[in-house]
Amino acid sequence: EIVLTQSPATLSLSPGERATLSCRASQSVSSYLAWYQHKPGQAPRLLIIDASNRATGIPARFSGSGSGTDFTLTISSLEPEDFAVYYCQQRSNWPPKYTFGQGTKLEIK
Amino acid sequence: EVQLVETGGGLIQPGGSLRLSCAASGFTVSTNYMSWVRQAPGKGLEWVSIIYSGGNTHYADSVKGRFTISRDNSNNTVYLQMNSLRPDDTAVYYCARAPVAVAPFHHWGQGTLVTVSS
Repeated sequence: EIVLTQSPATLSLSPGERATLSCRASQSVSSYLAWYQHKPGQAPRLLIIDASNRATGIPARFSGSGSGTDFTLTISSLEPEDFAVYYCQQRSNWPPKYTFGQGTKLEIK
Repeated sequence: EVQLVETGGGLIQPGGSLRLSCAASGFTVSTNYMSWVRQAPGKGLEWVSIIYSGGNTHYADSVKGRFTISRDNSNNTVYLQMNSLRPDDTAVYYCARAPVAVAPFHHWGQGTLVTVSS
């Protein structure tokens, strides 16, 4: 079973700063990695598909990179609405299972 | 516009049963891949189950044999029948849509809270 480990657990930054979030897989997931943003009381929101492709309607300040076992979500200049919890997620082929990382909480400094 | 609305959550005693519903609009559930994902209090997201467009179903090990996912094409609704509920099943349950099996979850509902407690 593939395990996704996110770091850091909490990231404290100010609006306008650059955020770099990491997701490491216990074995290669090729480029089949997604990123989500989740705010309390709201539905999770898909940000990045296949490691580096922005989902529909996602602002250009969000970008993803990586392949194999190491992935990064970068927010180039934080807006007030970006403070949330971020999850990475992958899917194993057989049996089909969908695994999430434990999340990184991005909080206002 | 794609919309997913979950209902059916509530307080239930350990060992009890509950059925969650996910009413979809803006797309057809029978041609998509519909999942349930949950979040326990203070914890992260955990995938629970999926039903494929062809009808195949898959489950997380933690719920296999206790939960059943199904759909009603005429009502464009997906269900999660939860039996033998345990306190560690307490969570917000989200319904989510993927356009193909290998895709991530493009759309999510707002969730419904299930509390298993005596």
